[in-house]
Amino acid sequence: AQSVTQPDIHITVSEGASLELRCNYSYGATPYLFWYVQSPGQGLQLLLKYFSGDTLVQGIKGFEAEFKRSQSSFNLRKPSVHWSDAAEYFCGRGGATNKLIFGTGTLLAVQP
Amino acid sequence: EPEVTQTPSHQVTQMGQEVILRCVPISNHLYFYWYRQILGQKVEFLVSFYNNEISEKSEIFDDQFSVERPDGSNFTLKIRSTKLEDSAMYFCASKLMGYTFGSGTRLTVV
Repeated sequence: AQSVTQPDIHITVSEGASLELRCNYSYGATPYLFWYVQSPGQGLQLLLKYFSGDTLVQGIKGFEAEFKRSQSSFNLRKPSVHWSDAAEYFCGRGGATNKLIFGTGTLLAVQP
Repeated sequence: EPEVTQTPSHQVTQMGQEVILRCVPISNHLYFYWYRQILGQKVEFLVSFYNNEISEKSEIFDDQFSVERPDGSNFTLKIRSTKLEDSAMYFCASKLMGYTFGSGTRLTVV
């Protein structure tokens, strides 16, 4: 069965520091990969998505992610974190007709 | 930008009562989904709906649950006899290429 793994449950970074959130997906046909962000009590906001083509994907709020087929990874990065980035981040895998499967999420805390 | 709209934003119901959660997907989207998120946990798939029928459902989606697209615009999730453990945030999503989620309905069963 398809699966998504986010190995880091909780990450704390200092404001202004760089950020990388890890995501691995189970092997399969070319996946559709997504990153969503959820602030407390809020819905899921799409940060970026990868379907095909350029493996480095730019998203909103200064985020980017790189699809690496050899590592089955789709890690999310941001060069300089802002306090407003504190939230929970979910990696997801979908397909042309498939449901979207989420990882367990990574809770990001930002220290001043 | 088109949105998925969910109503109500918060519903409190007594155990054993029926609830209907409502969603208006994006009009040209073809696939519709319900997900649930128990407080502090991951977002779990419940059911997908395409071409006016269920295309896939999870183990969570038992006989207490049903979905409908009654009028070509609304997409509803019904829980027939709510249990305490049904308390969660329920998200509707629709998809053409990417998945767009609504802001959720927080269901509290007391």
